Amino acid sequence: KAGVTQTPRYLIKTRGQQVTLSCSPISGHRSVSWYQQTPGQGLQFLFEYFSETQRNKGNFPGRFSGRQFSNSRSEMNVSTLELGDSALYLCASTPGASAHQETQYFGPGTRLLVL
Amino acid sequence: QKEVEQNSGPLSVPEGAIASLNCTYSDRGSQSFFWYRQYSGKSPELIMSIYSNGDKEDGRFTAQLNKASQYVSLLIRDSQPSDSATYLCAVSSSSASKIIFGSGTRLSIRP
Repeated sequence: KAGVTQTPRYLIKTRGQQVTLSCSPISGHRSVSWYQQTPGQGLQFLFEYFSETQRNKGNFPGRFSGRQFSNSRSEMNVSTLELGDSALYLCASTPGASAHQETQYFGPGTRLLVL
Repeated sequence: QKEVEQNSGPLSVPEGAIASLNCTYSDRGSQSFFWYRQYSGKSPELIMSIYSNGDKEDGRFTAQLNKASQYVSLLIRDSQPSDSATYLCAVSSSSASKIIFGSGTRLSIRP
C-alpha cells in the first residue's frame, strides 16, 4: 500500500498570504489528523477529521482550518500567514474512527516558510 | 505542568548499551500510549504501542507502562548508531479524542 502523501513538500509564502496543504491518507484509512511541528513547541495537534467531519480541534486560532472530502483526502488552510506559522505540517492517517487509540501513520510533511 | 513530559536530552549512550527513555503524563484517564521515532528531517514512525500496565517487548525494544505512577518508558537494548534519533512519547487524552505528544528526547548512540 502506498503511504500517506502530502503536497506540496516545500512552500515559501509571505506574511498575509494564505496557503492550502493537501494530504492523501493510506488507502482505506478514514481518519486524518493534522499536526504542526516546530523546534520550540514540538508536535502540536491541529485537528482531526473522520468521514468528512471535524471531530476534534487543537488550540490554534481560527486562521487554521481544514476539511475532508468523501475520498478521505484532506486539506488544511492557513489564512493571513504570520512569521510564526513557519513549521513542518504533518498529516497522519488511521484506519478507523478512534485515531487517538490507534497507530498514526505520518506523511512526509509540508515544510512551510513564511517570510 | 505539561501534559506529556520528556527529558529533551541529548541522551548519549555507548553502542551496545541499554538506552532508557522516560515519559510522564498528567491525564490519569489516558488509555493508549505510543513511542514514535523521528529521524532528523523525517516524519515520526511508530516504534511501540502499549495499553496495559507492565512490559511489552518487540525485538530490541521494551515499553513499560505504570498507570499508577503515570509514566511510560522505552528501553532499547544493544543500542546501535541507527537508533540515534528523537523519540516522541504520545498519550491519548481521556477527555478529547486526540493524542498529545511530548517534546521528544534526542538520543545519540556513540560508537
